[in-house]
Amino acid sequence: EIVLTQSPATLSLSPGETATLSCRASQSVGIFLAWYQQKPGRAPRLLIYDASKRATGIPARFSGSGSGTDFTLTISSLEPEDFAVYYCQQRSNWPPVTFGGGTKVEIK
Amino acid sequence: QVQLVESGGGVVQPGTSLRLSCAASGFTLSNYGIHWVRQAPGKGLEWVSVISYSGINEFYTDSVKGRFTISRDNSRNMVYLQMNSLTVEDTATYYCAKDLQQLVPRPTLLLDHWGQGTLVTVSS
Repeated sequence: EIVLTQSPATLSLSPGETATLSCRASQSVGIFLAWYQQKPGRAPRLLIYDASKRATGIPARFSGSGSGTDFTLTISSLEPEDFAVYYCQQRSNWPPVTFGGGTKVEIK
Repeated sequence: QVQLVESGGGVVQPGTSLRLSCAASGFTLSNYGIHWVRQAPGKGLEWVSVISYSGINEFYTDSVKGRFTISRDNSRNMVYLQMNSLTVEDTATYYCAKDLQQLVPRPTLLLDHWGQGTLVTVSS
C-alpha cells in the first residue's frame, strides 16, 4: 500500500498570501496524484488531478506540480473561501486508493 | 445537476449489519463507476470500495474485504454498500462519489462529485 505523507499538518496564513502544501509518496506514483479540498461539514471537492490538471471549474489560483514521489499544491493569493483541509490522493497502485492525512489551511 | 444522496446510516452494535444506499440523479448512473469513501470522526479520508459502471468489477480496501459488498441497480439509479460484521473501527461518515469518466473498463479513481455522507456509528 502506498502511503502519502502531507506536510505541514497545519498552515496558518492570511488572505492574499500564497499557500504551499506538500505530499510525499512512499513509492513513485508517476503523475497519478490528485488533490481535494474539504470544508467543515462538507464533502470533498476534486481540485487537481494527474499532478497538475485543474478539475472543471477550479480557479487558476490553484496549481499542482510534481512527479514520482514529491508533489506540491500551490494556492496563490488565498481567498477567504480557500481556508479548508486539503488531501492528496494516489491512484497509481491500487487497490487501495490512498489519501494523505491532510493539511489544514487556517486563517492566521 | 449531478446529485448523490446517501442514506441508511445509524447506530448499530458490533457484529451487526447495515446497508447503505446512494441515490443518484442528474447523470446517467449506468455509465459511471461509483465509489464509497469513509471518514472517521475528526480523521482523514479512507477509500472503501468501487464498482465499475457495468457492475462487473468490484474492488475493496483490505480492511473491509469479505465483510462489505458493493452493488448497483442502474434501473433504480441506486448504489449500495452492504456492511456485515461491523466493528467500532467502521464508525465513520460514508460518502458515495462518482468516478470522473464514463464508460471506461477500469474506473479512473478520480472522484468528481460526492454526496453529503451518512454517519454510521458502531457502538455497544
